[in-house]
Amino acid sequence: KNQVEQSPQSLIILEGKNCTLQCNYTVSPFSNLRWYKQDTGRGPVSLTIMTFSENTKSNGRYTATLDADTKQSSLHITASQLSDSASYICVVRSNAGNMLTFGGGTRLMVKP
Amino acid sequence: EAGVVQSPRYKIIEKKQPVAFWCNPISGHNTLYWYLQNLGQGPELLIRYENEEAVDDSQLPKDRFSAERLKGVDSTLKIQPAELGDSAVYLCASSPYSGGATGELFFGEGSRLTVL
Repeated sequence: KNQVEQSPQSLIILEGKNCTLQCNYTVSPFSNLRWYKQDTGRGPVSLTIMTFSENTKSNGRYTATLDADTKQSSLHITASQLSDSASYICVVRSNAGNMLTFGGGTRLMVKP
Repeated sequence: EAGVVQSPRYKIIEKKQPVAFWCNPISGHNTLYWYLQNLGQGPELLIRYENEEAVDDSQLPKDRFSAERLKGVDSTLKIQPAELGDSAVYLCASSPYSGGATGELFFGEGSRLTVL
């Protein structure tokens, strides 16, 4: 069964600090992995996509990594801002039937 | 360009009452999804449409849930009768086509349902 597990479930950090969110998956065959940001009361918005051949990709203060061998991804947030407070959802796409498997998300709170 | 539009944003009903949610996807997007999202959890697929055809409705509780996308554009999700456990956010998403290279979904803001 395809599964996506995210950790931690929730995280509180101080403004300006860095943090790393984890995503482990068992989806096969693997196509790509996306990180979405979901602000409270809004729909998820894509932050970045990782394909099989990519190890690291940056989008501003967000850096995603992918280890296809261990089936792990991380999202690193540098110099956090209050606006980073949101849920971060990892979504893995399988080539089989174009299926998407969602993780449960990590709820990040950045405090001043 | 307008994003995915959903209505209503909020709905409060008593149990056993019917409720309907509407979604208008991004123009030109063939694929439309309805997801259910409980508080603090990730979205769960209810149904996926390719144009007007429901290609994956295996997770849709068909005894009380129904959906339609008659002209392959906007869609309606209905619950009848609603139960207390249906309280959640119903998210609609669209994509150009599910077989696309990247598979990015574009989500609406969701319809929050409270069943009393």
